[in-house]
Order: sequence, then structure tokens, then C-alpha cells
Amino acid sequence: ETGVTQSPTHLIKTRGQQVTLRCSSQSGHNTVSWYQQALGQGPQFIFQYYREEENGRGNFPPRFSGLQFPNYSSELNVNALELDDSALYLCASSLGQGQSVLGYTFGSGTRLTVV
Amino acid sequence: GQQVMQIPQYQHVQEGEDFTTYCNSSTTLSNIQWYKQRPGGHPVFLIQLVKSGEVKKQKRLTFQFGEAKKNSSLHITATQTTDVGTYFCAGRGAGGTSYGKLTFGQGTILTVHP
Repeated sequence: ETGVTQSPTHLIKTRGQQVTLRCSSQSGHNTVSWYQQALGQGPQFIFQYYREEENGRGNFPPRFSGLQFPNYSSELNVNALELDDSALYLCASSLGQGQSVLGYTFGSGTRLTVV
Repeated sequence: GQQVMQIPQYQHVQEGEDFTTYCNSSTTLSNIQWYKQRPGGHPVFLIQLVKSGEVKKQKRLTFQFGEAKKNSSLHITATQTTDVGTYFCAGRGAGGTSYGKLTFGQGTILTVHP
């Protein structure tokens, strides 16, 4: 059983650029959530995808968008990068959604630095 | 919106001492989860509590969910150096629109001196 894999592990971008982060969910998991973790803080929920549709979103602007593919892998896209977007981006997969979900399996994350 | 507060922010203990971290939500939760994140690592799921007043144990770790489902605690007995890391609670709101959204606390950073 493979865990959650994310790519790339590290990334440096310039303010105003666009970035795409990728996530392969754990085998058998059909739901993917994305979280942003700033240094010294707890993860903040960005959004969740289930059956290729976004079905939950946190307090992030529309320039944060995503996709889920038929194989349950997912992408997080961020447009018009700002310095405050520098953070660890975590992908978490799970089986099921909403109240029935048990614990999430997190990937190792992508460390994004915006300069 | 829902807020989850966690205290203390830091805890330094000698190996063998006990450790407790507390979590309080501004709203009633449907369930609460606990995660451990090692330095430089990612959150790893420890446990989920669902029922009011629930208590669960994992070896030296004891987890409690308050009667009102708004607070929780994690207690570690006789800490070891392997317990080092940041412990997060994460609550899921009781409302139907809470799909997927876990609200994490700020975490408690535990250091253990040998």
C-alpha cells in the first residue's frame, strides 16, 4: 500500500507567477484535501475534492484552484503568487467524505517559497 | 467562523515526566482528531474521538473528548525522547456544510530532555 506522494518537494517562484502542485492519493482513497501550513502554524484547509468535484472550501481566494482526476490524484494551482503564499502545502487523502471520514493520510508536502 | 485554540504553545519536559495539551473549540464539534508532526515532517494521524465524554488510550497516550464536544486533551505518561514533535488537535464542525474541513489548532511543541 503506497502512501500519499506529492511533487515537487521544494519550489521557488517569483511573485506574480503561477504554480501547480501535484498529489497522488493513497491507494483506495477517493477524497483529497489540500492544506496550507505556514511556519509555526497549524495546517489551514484550502479545499477538498471528491469524485472530481470540489465539495468544501476554506477561506482562500479564487486564485487557489484545484482538480481531481479519475484516478483520484489531484492538483493545486495558485495564480498571481504573493509573498504570503510561501508555506508548506500538504495534500491529505481519505476514504469517504464529510462526517464519515476517519483520519487523513498526509503527504510529505511541497515547500513553496515566493520571492 | 470556527476557531480551535490549543495550549500550551510550548512544553519542555524531562524524560519520564508527563505531558498534557489542551484543545478548545469555539463551536460544538462532530468529532476531533489528533495528529503528531515531527520536526521537518508532516502530520501523522493518531486518533479520532466522536462521542461526548469519550476516552481512548494508545499505550502511554490518553485522549479525552469533553462532554459538550467543545474541548479535548491529550495526555502522555512518562514521556520518551521519541515523543518529541508538535501535537495538533483538529476539529470537524457539527454543521452539514463542514465537508472535509478540519480546523487545526496552533499545535503544542513538545521537547523532551534526556
